[in-house]
Amino acid sequence: KAGVTQTPRYLIKTRGQQVTLSCSPISGHRSVSWYQQTPGQGLQFLFEYFSETQRNKGNFPGRFSGRQFSNSRSEMNVSTLELGDSALYLCASSLSLDTQYFGPGTRLTVL
Amino acid sequence: SQQGEEDPQALSIQEGENATMNCSYKTSINNLQWYRQNSGRGLVHLILIRSNEREKHSGRLRVTLDTSKKSSSLLITASRAADTASYFCATDGGAQKLVFGQGTRLTINP
Repeated sequence: KAGVTQTPRYLIKTRGQQVTLSCSPISGHRSVSWYQQTPGQGLQFLFEYFSETQRNKGNFPGRFSGRQFSNSRSEMNVSTLELGDSALYLCASSLSLDTQYFGPGTRLTVL
Repeated sequence: SQQGEEDPQALSIQEGENATMNCSYKTSINNLQWYRQNSGRGLVHLILIRSNEREKHSGRLRVTLDTSKKSSSLLITASRAADTASYFCATDGGAQKLVFGQGTRLTINP
């Protein structure tokens, strides 16, 4: 099976812009989770979707949002970008919480 | 905030030696997992140990779990240059999310 794919791999934006990141889970996986990784805060949970429904959300401002489509693909959106949003954004898919399979990540740089 | 705390933060050893990393957590768990990350890439799942298990092996990996001390350790035996990476423990934070530690950066010197 193909692994989790994320697009784009790298992104450069300026403050105030918005960005949309995409994640395609492993075929058959209906749960998709998003994490933000920064040197200072480490890996932090953003949100998780299952069958197009957000089941849980981390402690992030409302500028961070996401959605999941009927084919389980997921997108996350960050509006009004801030310098502190520069991070590696990781998507993971799973059949259960036991094992999450991560994509390569999208490296977002905000200038 | 992170639930897990890894120790040490960085570890440098010679190829062929064993590497041990420790993880402590704060709340009760159903399971604990270890992941590896190579230089800013995605995480690779290594091993999962359930709360009712004390030790688990997978190839050159050995994981222990002590729920009374809320701690786990990951041992990599006969290390190789390809083991150079960051290693994270993750606990089930409830409600379908993983809570990660800060990670241990392991460097294997040839």
